[in-house]
Amino acid sequence: AIQMTQSPSSLSASVGDRVTITCRASQGIRNDLGWYQQKPGKAPKLLIYAASSLQSGVPSRFSGSGSGTDFTLTIRSLQPEDFATYYCLHDYNYSWTFGQGTKVEI
Amino acid sequence: QVQLVQSGAEVKMPGASVKVSCKASGYTFTDYAFSWVRQAPGQGLEWMGWISAYNGHTKYAQKFQDRVTMTTDTSTSTAYMELRGLRFDDTAVYYCARVKGGIVVVPGDYWGQGTLVTVSS
Repeated sequence: AIQMTQSPSSLSASVGDRVTITCRASQGIRNDLGWYQQKPGKAPKLLIYAASSLQSGVPSRFSGSGSGTDFTLTIRSLQPEDFATYYCLHDYNYSWTFGQGTKVEI
Repeated sequence: QVQLVQSGAEVKMPGASVKVSCKASGYTFTDYAFSWVRQAPGQGLEWMGWISAYNGHTKYAQKFQDRVTMTTDTSTSTAYMELRGLRFDDTAVYYCARVKGGIVVVPGDYWGQGTLVTVSS
């Protein structure tokens, strides 16, 4: 089974910072990758699908890139509402595999 | 507007079964599929399985293969997830998520609010 490894597991940042989170697949997964944001007590929210497509309604400061095994979620200028946990997701052939999550803290 | 509304919290004894519902509205039910995901307290997201609302085809994570059944009822636009043989470590929030198939898959563009299942003696 394909494993998804996210890094870092947590990070501290300030409002206005550029933040980068990475996700590495144990083998090539084309661009079958999504990114979610989750706040405490809430359901995950889709940010990016197909590695780089911005989900409708998501602010443009979020972007995704990568293909094959290495993927990146970038938050261009961190806002107060962006402090949350972020997960990558490999989605292929009706099966999902999540990364371990990255907690973005103040 | 698209909504997925899940059933309420449950408390179950070890060995019991639980059936969580996910009622969809605001779109054509059979045009999409559902994934079920759970999250134990303080832990990450864990995928349990997938069901097509069009034809009822399923795919389960190997970990749950022997204990889970996912179904849909197109007459009420509701998806169901039943988990049997509950153990203490099944205590978690269970989510349904809509999946758009096709050439470009959009995984989980809408989610239910979550259902807390507590397994306790």
